[in-house]
Amino acid sequence: SQQGEEDPQALSIQEGENATMNCSYKTSINNLQWYRQNSGRGLVHLILIRSNEREKHSGRLRVTLDTSKKSSSLLITASRAADTASYFCATGTTNTPLVFGKGTRLSVIA
Amino acid sequence: DTAVSQTPKYLVTQMGNDKSIKCEQNLGHDTMYWYKQDSKKFLKIMFSYNNKELIINETVPNRFSPKSPDKAHLNLHINSLELGDSAVYFCATQAGTGRDQPQHFGDGTRLSIL
Repeated sequence: SQQGEEDPQALSIQEGENATMNCSYKTSINNLQWYRQNSGRGLVHLILIRSNEREKHSGRLRVTLDTSKKSSSLLITASRAADTASYFCATGTTNTPLVFGKGTRLSVIA
Repeated sequence: DTAVSQTPKYLVTQMGNDKSIKCEQNLGHDTMYWYKQDSKKFLKIMFSYNNKELIINETVPNRFSPKSPDKAHLNLHINSLELGDSAVYFCATQAGTGRDQPQHFGDGTRLSIL
């Protein structure tokens, strides 16, 4: 299966600390996307990284992609209480629909 | 203005009933999806429509029937509801048909079967 698997399943940190979440997948991909889901809300797209890219930044977010290891990481720097949410990776190929992982639940304690 | 809106937000109903969930988007996107998120937060695609035509129909019981009256709407009708249908159903949209575009989600419809 192409499904991404996030690690850890849950993460609890203090405000101001960095949070790192990992995603591993099994088949070749065209791109990998990270989404955030706040409690009771829909998913919000954060960042997309293509298979020929190794690193991408957006504000306090940094995403890396290692296609040789079939893994990606999402780093949130200087976390805030408002970053508390579930984070999902989703893998895309040319011919198959986007496949989401089960997510990492991040709790940022003020 | 909400870009992708779903109604109703909550739906509580008895087993065996028929119900519909509606989705409307004002983004002008070509592609719309229905996803099911179970209690463990696993999100699985059900259907994909592009310009009112069904593109993807994953392994979903035929009790579920999507309908797209126009490019801005994608509704989901469910017949003979079962306990296992309890979940959160999300509508999402995407510009174009490529797999390298971000998707925009509604806030979900929480379906509870009694």
